[in-house]
Amino acid sequence: EDKVVQSPLSLVVHEGDTVTLNCSYEVTNFRSLLWYKQEKKAPTFLFMLTSSGIEKKSGRLSSILDKKELFSILNITATQTGDSAVYLCAVLFYGQNFVFGPGTRLSVLP
Amino acid sequence: SAVISQKPSRDICQRGTSLTIQCQVDSQVTMMFWYRQQPGQSLTLIATANQGSEATYESGFVIDKFPISRPNLTFSTLTVSNMSPEDSSIYLCSVEDDENYGYTFGSGTRLTVV
Repeated sequence: EDKVVQSPLSLVVHEGDTVTLNCSYEVTNFRSLLWYKQEKKAPTFLFMLTSSGIEKKSGRLSSILDKKELFSILNITATQTGDSAVYLCAVLFYGQNFVFGPGTRLSVLP
Repeated sequence: SAVISQKPSRDICQRGTSLTIQCQVDSQVTMMFWYRQQPGQSLTLIATANQGSEATYESGFVIDKFPISRPNLTFSTLTVSNMSPEDSSIYLCSVEDDENYGYTFGSGTRLTVV
C-alpha cells in the first residue's frame, strides 16, 4: 500500500532556530514529491521535487529529494513566527494522483 | 487518522456535461473541504462543507457551478457542472483530522475536459 510518513508530527521551536522536517514514502510509480504550507485555508505550494540530489531553495526554505532512500527533507533556517503552520508532504503517483502525509505542525515561539 | 476514499480517480468528460466526485471518510468529521489543484500551483479552496448546512464558497466559486452535498458526517460530493476545458484540474477533498491536529486528503480526481 502506498503511503507517506512525516516526522515529527509536531515541533515547537524559538525564533531563529533551524528546523528540518522529514518525509518518507513507500510507493510504486513515483512521479514527484510536493511540499505545502498550510496556515488557514488552502495549502500553499512550496516545492515540487522530481530528481534526486537537486536542492531547491526559496529564501529561508530549502528542500531535497533522495529517490534511492525514498525520503525528502524540508529545511527552514532562521525561523520566524510567521513560519508557524502545518507543513504537508504529498507524493504524486502516475495513475493514482496524490498521497498526502499527515503533516508536521510547526510552532515558532517569539 | 481518518482515511478518505475519493472517486473517481480520473475522468475524461465532454464539454457541457457534469461530473460528480465523491468522498467517503471512515470516521465522522465535522468539516470537509474541496480543493482544486492546477499544475505547479497552490491548492485552491473551492468550498467548506458542514453537515446539515449550506456549503461556504470561496471567492470566485459559486454553487451553480460547483454544487456540494453533505448528507451526513462521513460523505460529501462535489459536482463540476457545465464543464469547459478550463475546469481540467485535479480536485481533492480533505478533512480536518482532530486526532493528529492535521489534515487528511483524498487521493484526488484528475479531470480532463475535452
